Amino acid sequence: DILLTQSPSSLSASVGDKVTITCRASQNINIYLNWYQQKSGAAPQLLIYAASRLQSGVSSRFSGGGSGTDFTLTINNLQPEDFAIYYCQQSSTTPYTFGQGTRLGIK
Amino acid sequence: QVELVQSESDVKTPGSSVKVSCKTSGYTFTNYHMHWVRQAPGQGLEWLGRIHPNSGVTTYAHHVQGRLTLTRDTSRSVAYMELSGLTSDDTAFYFCTTDRDWALDYWGQGTLVTVSS
Repeated sequence: DILLTQSPSSLSASVGDKVTITCRASQNINIYLNWYQQKSGAAPQLLIYAASRLQSGVSSRFSGGGSGTDFTLTINNLQPEDFAIYYCQQSSTTPYTFGQGTRLGIK
Repeated sequence: QVELVQSESDVKTPGSSVKVSCKTSGYTFTNYHMHWVRQAPGQGLEWLGRIHPNSGVTTYAHHVQGRLTLTRDTSRSVAYMELSGLTSDDTAFYFCTTDRDWALDYWGQGTLVTVSS
């Protein structure tokens, strides 16, 4: 199975900050990497698909990059609604796998 | 608009089975894989398996192989997940989610399955 390792596991930031979360895959997954946001008590929401494509309806403050084994999710100008848990997920091969999550908290 | 509506939360005893439904609307049910993902309280996301509603072909995660059965009713656009041999480790929220462009884009609201004696 493909292992996804996110870093950091948690971070604190302030409104208006820029933050970057990384996701490393245990083998080459091309661009089959997606990012999700999950708020307490809710289902995950797709933010970025195919490494860098913004899902319809998602704020342009979110952006993704990378290919192969190393990927990033960047959030510009943090807003109060962005404080949540973020997961990466690979769809290169089954079983699909998720990173362990990054908890983004308010500083 | 696309909607996935799951069955209500359930409490089961160890060793029993649970069946969760996922009623879909707003898109062509048979065109896209349906996946199932679970999340134990306070934990991360875990992929369980997928079914292609048109063919019925399934793929399961290794750790639930033999206990998980995914089915569908194309006439009603409903997907089902049945998990047998329940233990306390199976206590979790279970989500159905569609797969278009190799991403999980629409999600059900989640069904809490509690396994307790």
